[in-house]
Amino acid sequence: EVHLLESGGGLVQPGGSLRLSCAASGFTFSSYAMSWVRQAPGKGLEWVSGISASGGTTYYADSVKGRFTISRDNSRNTLYLEINSLRDEDTAVYYCAKDVRLLHFLCYFDYWGQGTLVTVSS
Amino acid sequence: QSALTQPASVSGSPGQSITISCSGTNNDVGAYNYVSWYQQHPGKAPKLMIYEVRNRPSGVSNRFSGSKSGNTASLTISGLQADDEADYYCSSYTTSTSGVFGTGTKVTVL
Repeated sequence: EVHLLESGGGLVQPGGSLRLSCAASGFTFSSYAMSWVRQAPGKGLEWVSGISASGGTTYYADSVKGRFTISRDNSRNTLYLEINSLRDEDTAVYYCAKDVRLLHFLCYFDYWGQGTLVTVSS
Repeated sequence: QSALTQPASVSGSPGQSITISCSGTNNDVGAYNYVSWYQQHPGKAPKLMIYEVRNRPSGVSNRFSGSKSGNTASLTISGLQADDEADYYCSSYTTSTSGVFGTGTKVTVL
């Protein structure tokens, strides 16, 4: 059974940094692209960042380019998101999600984690 | 990348059919057949209902169907049931090698 478990969220001050993790199990992690999707309280879904199966190519939404860094460790079956220069508008639940197609980055996701809440506040 | 446009709310009675539209551009919905739809109940993670415009993942009811014409995709729910009450989001792959979600639609079963 596929399982994605995010961790690392919490309360952080504006301008601060955080690293989110997503531990994957139940599938061949190194064969699938992965993404982070966030949802601000009471708002819609926003695709934030994606990474190819090998980790060699990364993709970012314009709203986070230059502040967020996605990475993965295929030996540990873990996806990461480094978030810097945090702003109030980064407050959201952050989900990790697995791409449907083997070896393709196509931004549609058949499995999601339960999410981790990031709150930016002074 | 601007969010895809969906109606804020759609409602229907049990047993009826409803359709949710998802309007994009030549750079997303109109560019590829990589449109997907998600159902999200309050406090839960999204669930994939449709991918590649019209494909249903295993376990998803055939009451859910998808289609696309030009820059607009649609999700139809037939035989509406109480448990279909949820938020629905469309999504598309874009020519910028990124993803974009729709604004979301709240479905109410009357």
